[in-house]
Amino acid sequence: AQTVTQSQPEMSVQEAETVTLSCTYDTSESDYYLFWYKQPPSRQMILVIRQEAYKQQNATENRFSVNFQKAAKSFSLKISDSQLGDAAMYFCAYRRRNSGNTPLVFGKGTRLSVIA
Amino acid sequence: DVKVTQSSRYLVKRTGEKVFLECVQDMDHENMFWYRQDPGLGLRLIYFSYDVKMKEKGDIPEGYSVSREKKERFSLILESASTNQTSMYLCASSSRPRGVSYNEQFFGPGTRLTVL
Repeated sequence: AQTVTQSQPEMSVQEAETVTLSCTYDTSESDYYLFWYKQPPSRQMILVIRQEAYKQQNATENRFSVNFQKAAKSFSLKISDSQLGDAAMYFCAYRRRNSGNTPLVFGKGTRLSVIA
Repeated sequence: DVKVTQSSRYLVKRTGEKVFLECVQDMDHENMFWYRQDPGLGLRLIYFSYDVKMKEKGDIPEGYSVSREKKERFSLILESASTNQTSMYLCASSSRPRGVSYNEQFFGPGTRLTVL
């Protein structure tokens, strides 16, 4: 079974600085998708960024980018120019491609605090 | 925009009561999911459904049942609520995989259930 591990339960960053959240996963598949979700306090979980395993280029969405290392099975999230609104729980998730209706597999999350 | 709504943001029930949590999505998604979220444990899948009247057990189905009579609505039922079911409950939906498709999940705002 696939597993997703987020080894940092909590992280903090100064406003305007850069922070990297770690995620590793375990799979024997070669074709899959990876996601980072953000859950602000008392607000809805939203998708931040996604990556297809067969694409070597790292995904980027404005201040959010990933470092996807397929061989190492690592999928870290980098947040640049951190803002107070980035404070949230962040979940890494995995889904095998062509897996029908298989649900996402989530990590346990990293709580990010942003210090003004 | 995809919209997933849940019937209540906060709910307080007594031990032994039958509890219904409702989830509705407006994007004609085939797949719907129920998770519970607890600190340090991340998101754990309770049940999911990939079609009307279809259901699949997730990782922690004990003590729960579900109902999907219409495509847009997925209900989670606690037959006899217990204090260890106090948690945040998240509903999500996604489309069925078609070709190259991420099929990311879209989440509702969550229901924080307290069982006294």
